[in-house]
Parts: sequence; C-alpha cells; structure tokens
Amino acid sequence: DAGITQSPRYKITETGRQVTLMCHQTWSHSYMFWYRQDLGHGLRLIYYSAAADITDKGEVPDGYVVSRSKTENFPLTLESATRSQTSVYFCASSQQWGNQPQHFGDGTRLSIL
Amino acid sequence: RKEVEQDPGPFNVPEGATVAFNCTYSNSASQSFFWYRQDCRKEPKLLMSVYSSGNEDGRFTAQLNRASQYISLLIRDSKLSDSATYLCVVPNTNAGKSTFGDGTTLTVKP
Repeated sequence: DAGITQSPRYKITETGRQVTLMCHQTWSHSYMFWYRQDLGHGLRLIYYSAAADITDKGEVPDGYVVSRSKTENFPLTLESATRSQTSVYFCASSQQWGNQPQHFGDGTRLSIL
Repeated sequence: RKEVEQDPGPFNVPEGATVAFNCTYSNSASQSFFWYRQDCRKEPKLLMSVYSSGNEDGRFTAQLNRASQYISLLIRDSKLSDSATYLCVVPNTNAGKSTFGDGTTLTVKP
C-alpha cells in the first residue's frame, strides 16, 4: 500500500534555480493539495486540485506553479527559488471534499541558499 | 477572529493524566471536522474524524458542540508517545480549502 509519496525527501538548491517537487498517490483520490509549513508555524495551502486538469490557488500561491495532467500526480514547481521558500512542503490527497479527511505524504524538506 | 482557533499550550502532563483540548470554529455551516497529530515537523496523521456529536477511539474521545461551535479532544491515560502537536481541521464551505488550526502542543512526562 504505497499511498501517497513525495520526492525528493530533502533538497538543497540555490536562489534563482527552478525546483520541482513531486507528489504521487495510488488511491485515485480526486483532490490533491500542496501545503508549506515554516518552522514554528501552521500549514498554509499553496495550491489544490479537484481533478485532473483542474487546479486552484490557495492561501500562498505566489512563486509556485502546479499542474495535474494525471489524477495520480500533482507536481509543484518553484520557478525561481527564493530564500523565503525554504520550508517543509507537504502534499495531501482526499477522496472527496468536505466529509473525507486528507492524507499526507512524508514531506519534502527544501532549503534554498 | 480566526476561522479556527486552538489553545497553543504547551500542555505538560504526567503519564496517566487526562487532558482535553478545545478547538473553536467560526463557520456555523461546517459539517465535518478532523483531529490530526503531528510529530516534530513530520507529516500530519489523521487521529479522528468527527461528523456528528462525537467519536471515540480507545483512549481518545472527540466531542462536537454545534451550538457553541467547538470541538474538543479528550485523551485519557496519557502515554509518553502521545507527546505531539494536535491539529484541528475544519473543511471550508469553499470546496478544496480546509482551515488548519495552529495546533496544541502536548508533552507527557514520566
């Protein structure tokens, strides 16, 4: 039962570089989400997707791009990384909206130097 | 007022104690609620779903009070392994967005 997997687990890069974080789920869940969590803070929604080819902005979308060409994948791209994007990134999925919980991946710890 | 508010704590309790956390929410239309636990910046893990008046799972009991718009989490016979941050999550009426509380930190001491 692979569930939801994120890659890489850890990433160090430099400012200005493009970085893509991968998220893959095996449950065929409709909804997928990207969150960031900064040290000492709560989770903040970056983008979410209700189905393949449907994405929408969350609370903090600036500097990020997402796509969802297939139901199982939801990559997150930092087009030109900045130090303020150093964070832990969590991907999540849920079967339905509202009455079903979200299930989270292990997270990607991203450091931008 | 925040959409979801939790007492940040920290709550420091001895092993075997009973501890309760509250989570208040502002949207009276909310129908379902979730409690997660998170260990030291690892991924949040679902602890309990609450759809009606409450739910119980072993030592954990969640209660929903719609009139006062809060959800509580009660942990009985606390274990060292219960030390974590507990997150209250309320799906918004806008599909796709949930509001996460900032979490309540629990430390169980021997």
